[in-house]
Amino acid sequence: ETGVTQSPTHLIKTRGQQVTLRCSSQSGHNTVSWYQQALGQGPQFIFQYYREEENGRGNFPPRFSGLQFPNYSSELNVNALELDDSALYLCASNVRKGSYSNYGYTFGSGTRLTVV
Amino acid sequence: GENVEQHPSTLSVQEGDSAVIKCTYSDSASNYFPWYKQELGKGPQLIIDIRSNVGEKKDQRIAVTLNKTAKHFSLHITETQPEDSAVYFCAASIGGGADGLTFGKGTHLIIQP
Repeated sequence: ETGVTQSPTHLIKTRGQQVTLRCSSQSGHNTVSWYQQALGQGPQFIFQYYREEENGRGNFPPRFSGLQFPNYSSELNVNALELDDSALYLCASNVRKGSYSNYGYTFGSGTRLTVV
Repeated sequence: GENVEQHPSTLSVQEGDSAVIKCTYSDSASNYFPWYKQELGKGPQLIIDIRSNVGEKKDQRIAVTLNKTAKHFSLHITETQPEDSAVYFCAASIGGGADGLTFGKGTHLIIQP
C-alpha cells in the first residue's frame, strides 16, 4: 500500500507569484485535505476535497484554492504569495463513505514553501 | 471554532520512564481526538486516536485517556525509548464534521539516554 506522496519537496518563490503543489492520496483513499504548518506550530486546516469538490474550509482567504482529480490526487494553488505563506504544506488523505469524515488521516511528508 | 491547548511544549524524560502530554479543547461538540507523532523532515504520523464514547484506549506502550466533562485528554507513553523522541501533536474535531482537525501547538519529547 503506497502512502501519501507530495511534490515538490522544497520550493522557493517570490512575493506576488503563484504556486501549485501536488499530492497523490494513499491507495484506497477518496478524500484529500490540505494543511499549512508554520514553523514551530501545529498544522492548520485549509480545505478538504471529496468527489472533486471542495467541502469544508478553514480560515484561509480565496487566494488559496484547490482541485481534486478523478484518481483522487489533488493540487493546492496559492495566488499572490505573501511572505507569511512560507510554511510546510501537508496533504492528508482518508476514506469517506457518504457523510464527512475526519477519521484516520494519513499525512504526506509535505512541501516546504519559502516566499522571499 | 475549536481551540486546542497542549502542554508542555517541551518534555525531557529519562529512557525507560513514562511521559505524559496533556491537551484541552473548547468545543463540546468535538468527539474525535487523534494523536500524531512528527519526526524531523516527515509528516505527522497517526499513533493512536480515541472517540468520545470511550474513556481510555491502549496500544502497547501508548495510551490515551479522555475526560469529556473537563474537556481534556492525555497521551501516556510508558517505558520510553530513544525512538520515541519526536514532536507530538494532539488534535480535536467533530468526527463527521467539515472543519478538519484542530491541532495543538505540539510537544517536543526528548528521551535522555
